[in-house]
Amino acid sequence: AQKVTQAQTEISVVEKEDVTLDCVYETRDTTYYLFWYKQPPSGELVFLIRRNSFDEQNEISGRYSWNFQKSTSSFNFTITASQVVDSAVYFCALSEAGDDKIIFGKGTRLHILP
Amino acid sequence: ETGVTQTPRHLVMGMTNKKSLKCEQHLGHNAMYWYKQSAKKPLELMFVYNFKEQTENNSVPSRFSPECPNSSHLFLHLHTLQPEDSALYLCASSQALTLTDGYTFGSGTRLTVV
Repeated sequence: AQKVTQAQTEISVVEKEDVTLDCVYETRDTTYYLFWYKQPPSGELVFLIRRNSFDEQNEISGRYSWNFQKSTSSFNFTITASQVVDSAVYFCALSEAGDDKIIFGKGTRLHILP
Repeated sequence: ETGVTQTPRHLVMGMTNKKSLKCEQHLGHNAMYWYKQSAKKPLELMFVYNFKEQTENNSVPSRFSPECPNSSHLFLHLHTLQPEDSALYLCASSQALTLTDGYTFGSGTRLTVV
């Protein structure tokens, strides 16, 4: 069975600090996809990244970086030099190959304090 | 604008009312989804449609009735709802079975049942 765990319910950091959001997943498939989404106060979920299970290379996009480690079934997300606009709920998610469903974690609410 | 439009943005309805939520996507996707987001709960997948055919009904009560007349439109018909059905209802679309870019979400309909 698929499962995504985001143990951090809520995090507050001061602007310009770095912050890491944790994500641990469970799946029996060897081929799967991992996602991160951002949900700002406006409500829509914004796609940030997709990783497939065969690509463990870490990715950096501006201030965002992702650390995928199959050995620990983790796909953590780091925001460097956080900004107030990064305040949102962030969701980690998983989809197994051949499946058109994405299973979401409960989300981590991130507050960036000015 | 994400390319997925949901109307209305907000809806207040009584328990005896009948209303419908509408979702429209202009992305050429062939799969559409309804998710429910309640406070302090993970995103719950409700229904999946691939090429207009329902492929998933996640044990949703019959007071929620989906309709997908074509690949671009998805409705959620509501009748005799309960107060616990109050939530944010999110529509999403994707290229089925590829999920290259995950889902594209609409901004949601905030439903309040009184």
